[in-house]
Amino acid sequence: EIVMTQSPATLSVSPGERATLSCRASQSLSSNLAWYHQKAGQAPRLLIYGASTRATGIPARFSGSGSGAEFTLTISSLQSEDFAVYYCQQYYDWPYTFGQGTKLESK
Amino acid sequence: EVQLVESGGGLVQPGGSLRLSCAASGFTFSSHWMSWVRQAPGKGLEWVANIKQDGSEKYYVDSVKGRFTVSRDNAKNSLYLQMSSLRAEDTAVYYCARDWAVDWGQGTLVTVSS
Repeated sequence: EIVMTQSPATLSVSPGERATLSCRASQSLSSNLAWYHQKAGQAPRLLIYGASTRATGIPARFSGSGSGAEFTLTISSLQSEDFAVYYCQQYYDWPYTFGQGTKLESK
Repeated sequence: EVQLVESGGGLVQPGGSLRLSCAASGFTFSSHWMSWVRQAPGKGLEWVANIKQDGSEKYYVDSVKGRFTVSRDNAKNSLYLQMSSLRAEDTAVYYCARDWAVDWGQGTLVTVSS
């Protein structure tokens, strides 16, 4: 099973500032990596797939980068609605696995 | 617009069974892999199972193998998860998802408790 490790567990950032979230896989995924965010009481929503492609309707302030086993999600200028929990997920091999999540909170 | 609506959750005793359903609309259901993902209260996401377009391939996380069965009815645009020998650790919100989790339903809560 591929283990996904996200860092940090919690990130405190002020609105308008940049946030950088990391995700590391226990083996190479090529680019089979997705990012989601989840607000309290809601289902997760896909942000990024293929490591760097924004999903439909996702603002340009969200960007993904990386390949192989190291990936990054960057939010260029945080809006109030961006404070949530963020998960990465590999869909390179069964079983698909998620990271443990990064909670992005307002500073 | 893609819509996924789960149903069938509820309270069940340890060792019991439950069948979850997911009604899909807004896309060609028979052309997509479908997945189940769960989230225990206050915890992260765990992919549970998925099924190929024609049902010929199915994959499960180790913790549910032999206890859960994923199936689909393309004529009814529906996905199912038959859960048996349920344990307390199966308590979670269960989400239906398109492909590897491109679109998600709102989830249905399964509580395993005596």
